[in-house]
Amino acid sequence: EVQLVDSGGGLVQPGGSLRLSCAASGFTFNSYAMSWVRQAPGKGLEWVSAVSGSGAGTYYADSVKGRFTISRDNSKDTLYLQMNSLRPEDTAVYYCARPLIGVFRGAFEIWGQGTMVTVSS
Amino acid sequence: QSALTQPASVSGSPGQSITISCTGTSSDVGGYNYVSWSQQHPGKAPKLMIYDVSNRPSGVSNRFSGSKSGNTASLTISGLQAEDEADYYCSSYTRSNTLVFGGGTKVTVL
Repeated sequence: EVQLVDSGGGLVQPGGSLRLSCAASGFTFNSYAMSWVRQAPGKGLEWVSAVSGSGAGTYYADSVKGRFTISRDNSKDTLYLQMNSLRPEDTAVYYCARPLIGVFRGAFEIWGQGTMVTVSS
Repeated sequence: QSALTQPASVSGSPGQSITISCTGTSSDVGGYNYVSWSQQHPGKAPKLMIYDVSNRPSGVSNRFSGSKSGNTASLTISGLQAEDEADYYCSSYTRSNTLVFGGGTKVTVL
């Protein structure tokens, strides 16, 4: 079964750091670009970051550029999102997502269950 | 990276057809055939309904169809059913090698 399992969320103070993980199974992980998408409580979807299948290419939304770092370990079939300098507006459910077709262009067919990040003092 | 523009809500009676618009710019919707539509029920992860403007993933009902004209993409749901009541989001690849979502449209089945 094709599956993504998100983890690592929690409560963190403003200015703090958190690392999210997404464990993939059931497909050839390194053949797909992967993304993180977030959703603030009661709000819409916001694309956060993407990484190419090899890990060589990384892409970021302006709202997180310079603070978040996406990476992947293809030997462990795992995607990561290192979040630094967290702000209250980063509070959201964070989903990892796999596209229908391998390259990065949206069309997210497979989603994790989401992990909640709360930034508050 | 401004969000794509969608109507906040659209409603229809069972059996009717509704259309949701998604307006961007020549740097995103108008510049690429990489527009997708996702459905999200409350408390659930999104589900891909349309990709590359007008293609349906395997298993998605043919009551869902997509199109694009210029900088505006559209999702049409025909034969509206109670289970179609959900939030719908469009998204597009952009010239900046990023992705942008629309603000979302709440579909209500009357």
